[in-house]
Amino acid sequence: GAVVSQHPSWVICKSGTSVKIECRSLDFQATTMFWYRQFPKQSLMLMATSNEGSKATYEQGVEKDKFLINHASLTLSTLTVTSAHPEDSSFYICSARGLSGSYNEQFFGPGTRLTVL
Amino acid sequence: GENVEQHPSTLSVQEGDSAVIKCTYSDSASNYFPWYKQELGKRPQLIIDIRSNVGEKKDQRIAVTLNKTAKHFSLHITETQPEDSAVYFCAPFQAGTALIFGKGTTLSVSS
Repeated sequence: GAVVSQHPSWVICKSGTSVKIECRSLDFQATTMFWYRQFPKQSLMLMATSNEGSKATYEQGVEKDKFLINHASLTLSTLTVTSAHPEDSSFYICSARGLSGSYNEQFFGPGTRLTVL
Repeated sequence: GENVEQHPSTLSVQEGDSAVIKCTYSDSASNYFPWYKQELGKRPQLIIDIRSNVGEKKDQRIAVTLNKTAKHFSLHITETQPEDSAVYFCAPFQAGTALIFGKGTTLSVSS
């Protein structure tokens, strides 16, 4: 159980275009979803936290107008990178948290590799 | 917010040796202390975690120890194998909040 999927697994786009990444919890209801970004040979950096039906909370330094997050249902969150530029090329990973007893474990998606040309 | 330091950044051992990675955190409110393993291009995988009311936990070759007073916890891997080679991250957090990852430790196990 506790499976999280992401789509697409990789995407290549031209500079200036927008890209949408989907994160789905397949077998549980995710009360909260998180979006992380990981540059090569670096750690996972939290971008934002979203609760179903609420506006996302962005970390300092993350542009909310550039990285649009929607969490419209308990099983789906989307991240849209608007007007993408080469510096946005990265590995984007979502995670979802439901409630399992008293431990709020986060379950990670497989990640999306974004390359902006 | 949480400030996480992880040491060493790289660790090379011979197969069969032990490996220890230490994580220091700043937020005294943190009460869950997980360790993740990430292979290249893949998602991080939870390998072991410990809660604040426990000092040590072991799962076969992997163990985690916690010193809450000193605000650090460590990952111990015994009898290392080549398949243990990966990047390991600590991510202390308080229940209900997000994981904040350390910078990672690249473990290389040579046979």
